[in-house]
Amino acid sequence: AQSVTQPDIHITVSEGASLELRCNYSYGATPYLFWYVQSPGQGLQLLLKYFSGDTLVQGIKGFEAEFKRSQSSFNLRKPSVHWSDAAEYFCAVGAMYNNNDMRFGAGTRLTVKP
Amino acid sequence: KAGVTQTPRYLIKTRGQQVTLSCSPISGHRSVSWYQQTPGQGLQFLFEYFSETQRNKGNFPGRFSGRQFSNSRSEMNVSTLELGDSALYLCASSLGGRDYEQYFGPGTRLTVT
Repeated sequence: AQSVTQPDIHITVSEGASLELRCNYSYGATPYLFWYVQSPGQGLQLLLKYFSGDTLVQGIKGFEAEFKRSQSSFNLRKPSVHWSDAAEYFCAVGAMYNNNDMRFGAGTRLTVKP
Repeated sequence: KAGVTQTPRYLIKTRGQQVTLSCSPISGHRSVSWYQQTPGQGLQFLFEYFSETQRNKGNFPGRFSGRQFSNSRSEMNVSTLELGDSALYLCASSLGGRDYEQYFGPGTRLTVT
């Protein structure tokens, strides 16, 4: 069965600094990968997805992620963090047959210092 | 296009009662999935419905059930509530199939006392 590990529970960065959130997956075939963001008390918003093709994926709000098959990773990056980026970020992998049964990582909470 | 809506947003129930949560998907979406989010267990998949049929189910007891109507709206029912059922219940909809992502609603916060 597929699974996702997010090694960092909590990360603090200064506003304007770069950001990288780590995600490692376990999957027997080519994975479908996602990053979602959740603000307090809210649902999940899709930031970006990787299905196939170019391994560098661009998303909304200036985020990007790179799929590295050799490292089983799908790390999320942003060159310059804004205070409004403070939230919880979840990496997820879809099941082989469809993406409506997703396995999520435990999440990384991002704090942004002024 | 309107997003996924969930009702009610907040709910307080007593142990032993049952509860029904509702989810209206994005127009045109035929797949609805339910997830439970708790601080201890994180986000866990409950089940997915597609065209009124349960297509997949997560590892939850039979107290958790659902259904989907012909207009794709879905309901989730939890019977004999336990304290551990307190959670944020998220509904997500998609067009279905492997090439489509899910869109999440704001969730229903269930508190069991």
